[in-house]
Amino acid sequence: EDQVTQSPEALRLQEGESSSLNCSYTVSGLRGLFWYRQDPGKGPEFLFTLYSAGEEKEKERLKATLTKKESFLHITAPKPEDSATYLCAVVGAGNNRKLIWGLGTSLAVNP
Amino acid sequence: DSGVTQTPKHLITATGQRVTLRCSPRSGDLSVYWYQQSLDQGLQFLIQYYNGEERAKGNILERFSAQQFPDLHSELNLSSLELGDSALYFCASSVGWGDRQETQYFGPGTRLLVL
Repeated sequence: EDQVTQSPEALRLQEGESSSLNCSYTVSGLRGLFWYRQDPGKGPEFLFTLYSAGEEKEKERLKATLTKKESFLHITAPKPEDSATYLCAVVGAGNNRKLIWGLGTSLAVNP
Repeated sequence: DSGVTQTPKHLITATGQRVTLRCSPRSGDLSVYWYQQSLDQGLQFLIQYYNGEERAKGNILERFSAQQFPDLHSELNLSSLELGDSALYFCASSVGWGDRQETQYFGPGTRLLVL
C-alpha cells in the first residue's frame, strides 16, 4: 500500500538554526513527490516538485532533495515567517494518479 | 495567490442540511480536485474531474457529490450534513492529465461548520 510518513511531527527552531524535515515514502513507480507549505486555516502553497532520485530544487532558504526512499526539505537559517506546516505528497504509477499525503511537520521558528 | 478561487469562505449550517461549495480553477487548468481537511486528520482526497468528466475517486461519502461544468468551474454538494462533516474543504486545480503528474494549486478553502 502506498504510504507517506513525515518526521518529526513538530519542530521548534531558533531563528538562524538550520534543520531538515523528512518525508519517507513507499510507492510503486514514483511519478512525482511534492512539497507544500500550509499556514493555519489557509490552502497549501506549492513549493517544489521532484521527479527522480538525485534531483534537487532550491527556493530562498529551502532546498528539497530526493532519494529512492525519502525526501528531505532543508531549511537554512530559518526566519519566524518560515513557521508553518510543511506537507509532503507522492503519486505513484498505480492509484489512478491520486496524491498520497503525509500528515505534515509543524515548524515553529522563534525570534 | 494561486489563482484558484473558492466560495463561500465560511459556511455555518445545521445537521441534516445541504450545502454547495464552488470552485473556479486557474485559467487554463482542466483538472479540478476536492479535498477535505479535519483538525485531527491530514488532507483527504475526495474526487477529481478532468474537463467535465470524473477521473478519480477517493474517500468521498455517498452523501457528497460533485460536478464540473462546461466553463470548468466545479461544485461540491454535501447533503444530510452531520457534525463530523465540519472541516476545511479545499479545491485544487492542475493543467491536465498528462503522463507526468502536474502540480496541483490549491484555493483558499471553505470552512464548514455544522451545528
